[in-house]
Amino acid sequence: DGGITQSPKYLFRKEGQNVTLSCEQNLNHDAMYWYRQDPGQGLRLIYYSQIVNDFQKGDIAEGYSVSREKKESFPLTVTSAQKNPTAFYLCASSLGLSRGQNTEAFFGQGTRLTVV
Amino acid sequence: AQKITQTQPGMFVQEKEAVTLDCTYDTSDPSYGLFWYKQPSSGEMIFLIYQGSYDQQNATEGRYSLNFQKARKSANLVISASQLGDSAMYFCAMRAFNSGYSTLTFGKGTMLLVSP
Repeated sequence: DGGITQSPKYLFRKEGQNVTLSCEQNLNHDAMYWYRQDPGQGLRLIYYSQIVNDFQKGDIAEGYSVSREKKESFPLTVTSAQKNPTAFYLCASSLGLSRGQNTEAFFGQGTRLTVV
Repeated sequence: AQKITQTQPGMFVQEKEAVTLDCTYDTSDPSYGLFWYKQPSSGEMIFLIYQGSYDQQNATEGRYSLNFQKARKSANLVISASQLGDSAMYFCAMRAFNSGYSTLTFGKGTMLLVSP
């Protein structure tokens, strides 16, 4: 089945450690995104990528890093520089962002990160 | 910049009744799309319905319809004949198409509870 796979579903990290969240898609989508969701809040964009080897900062990129070496994969690293990393992280993908397309995003099931 | 406002933190409805979830938006781009997503307690985001800014008719998808009032910049979601399984968070989102690297901007969401 086509879709987006995020792993792991739950992740615990000690303060001061970097951690990488995995996101893989087999939808042949060009664009991929990472969002952060805090309780009672909407989704805030961390990073996005339209093509391989290119990515752009979103609204809250500080303390995060990404790579896009393959079309199917867009891993997110939460670094020790992120002050408050405990949150629910959602990865998404969509067709290219060309004008006029009804390009809804398809989401993974999310990773809940807790810093202990 | 785009902005989505959802003013209802929570809504209650009885099973089989209709319910309207409010969404207003702000953008200077004349070409944009509006999306509604459902997020059950499991966390995944499920795409429900799409409305383009130039679409002449309001979008409908089964029990979901979008009450699009362009002059008022509102895109309310109407769920007819509510079911217990409709209990979830609902997010309104938009994408402006002429903004170059356009991405989805989300509102803070409305929690819908359907009672028997």
